[in-house]
Amino acid sequence: EVHLLESGGGLVQPGGSLRLSCAASGSTFSNYGISWVRQAPGKGLEWVSGITDSGGKTYYGDSVKGRFTISRDNSKNTVFLQMNRLRADDTAVYYCADPADFWGQGTLVTVSS
Amino acid sequence: QAGLTQPPSVSKGLRQTATLTCTGNSNNVGDEGAAWLQQHQDHPPKLLSYRNNNRPSGISERLSASRSGNTASLTITRLQPEDEADYYCSAWDSGLGAWVFGGGTKLTVL
Repeated sequence: EVHLLESGGGLVQPGGSLRLSCAASGSTFSNYGISWVRQAPGKGLEWVSGITDSGGKTYYGDSVKGRFTISRDNSKNTVFLQMNRLRADDTAVYYCADPADFWGQGTLVTVSS
Repeated sequence: QAGLTQPPSVSKGLRQTATLTCTGNSNNVGDEGAAWLQQHQDHPPKLLSYRNNNRPSGISERLSASRSGNTASLTITRLQPEDEADYYCSAWDSGLGAWVFGGGTKLTVL
């Protein structure tokens, strides 16, 4: 079983940047594709981005393409989400997860002036 | 990206049976099935059923998942107060190259 812990959330102004981290422990992390999924206040789950187990392929949702970049460092059991040109509608709790298996606790990102 | 379709709300009485549905297409639910997640207020989602309809360790036998064509279902028997939560389905969409979610069903136990 994989356990995930997100960090790096916080308050940022519109147009700013943040880098989220997702640290994994437990089973062999490098065997799993990992995604970032977000949930705006009072809303449902929205898939943001995903990366394959080796890091060789990355995928993005339409709302973040060209602004967010996902990466991973399997030697450090960590996945990252670099978020640039942030907008108010990016405000959400960001979870790292295997969307059909294990989930982290989430980190809150607030984009506001 | 197009998502999966779930009814916004379901209400059932204590100790009754609730069946939640999740409809997609042949590229997602109809391809590799859907996982089911439960979310209580201010908590992260929790896996209830894998895409192959198996339950993870520790999940109650009152829950069972199934699939017919492009529609996945989650049945919860003998409803308890703690079953009141939001339920989401998730599936990989091979056509979109993306994970898709249902909009969620709020289950109320009366």
